[in-house]
Amino acid sequence: GDSVTQMEGPVTLSEEAFLTINCTYTATGYPSLFWYVQYPGEGLQLLLKATKADDKGSNKGFEATYRKETTSFHLEKGSVQVSDSAVYFCALSDPNSGYSTLTFGKGTMLLVSP
Amino acid sequence: DTGVSQNPRHKITKRGQNVTFRCDPISEHNRLYWYRQTLGQGPEFLTYFQNEAQLEKSRLLSDRFSAERPKGSFSTLEIQRTEQGDSAMYLCASSGLDTDTQYFGPGTRLTVL
Repeated sequence: GDSVTQMEGPVTLSEEAFLTINCTYTATGYPSLFWYVQYPGEGLQLLLKATKADDKGSNKGFEATYRKETTSFHLEKGSVQVSDSAVYFCALSDPNSGYSTLTFGKGTMLLVSP
Repeated sequence: DTGVSQNPRHKITKRGQNVTFRCDPISEHNRLYWYRQTLGQGPEFLTYFQNEAQLEKSRLLSDRFSAERPKGSFSTLEIQRTEQGDSAMYLCASSGLDTDTQYFGPGTRLTVL
């Protein structure tokens, strides 16, 4: 079955540091890939997505590139802010299921200090 | 632009009681999904509707769980005879028919004492 593996957290950084959160996936089809962000006590917000190989999703300074050869979708940001502190989830949607479900990783907590 | 809304935001109940949650999707979205998220984990799929039809159910959805979307608009998720293991955040999401992108509501946090 489909699965998503993320690096374990928490990831602790100082403000303006470079961020990478690793994500790899296993899927039977050719999935769409997503990053969602969850702030404390809130639901998930879509951060970015990519639907085919070599696509780069980007939003609010965050980027991730769909790498089919390594089955990866790593999240990066050049300079993090305190306000980026949250839990980040990598997810996939499989066309073999008619895109009916999202499969999530366990999430990676990011803590950014001033 | 109104997003996905869920009510209540928090629910505390005693073991054995029944609870019902409501989700109102983005108005033009045909598909509606329910997920469950436990502490420190990612959301897990429970069930999804296309219009009023419930098209898929996860094996996580035991007989005590039932979901409806009677008019293809809002949906309810009922848990009967709640157990402590049902304590979790219940998330609702919606999407359009021809898109793979789901938009989530704020969730309902259930605590079973």
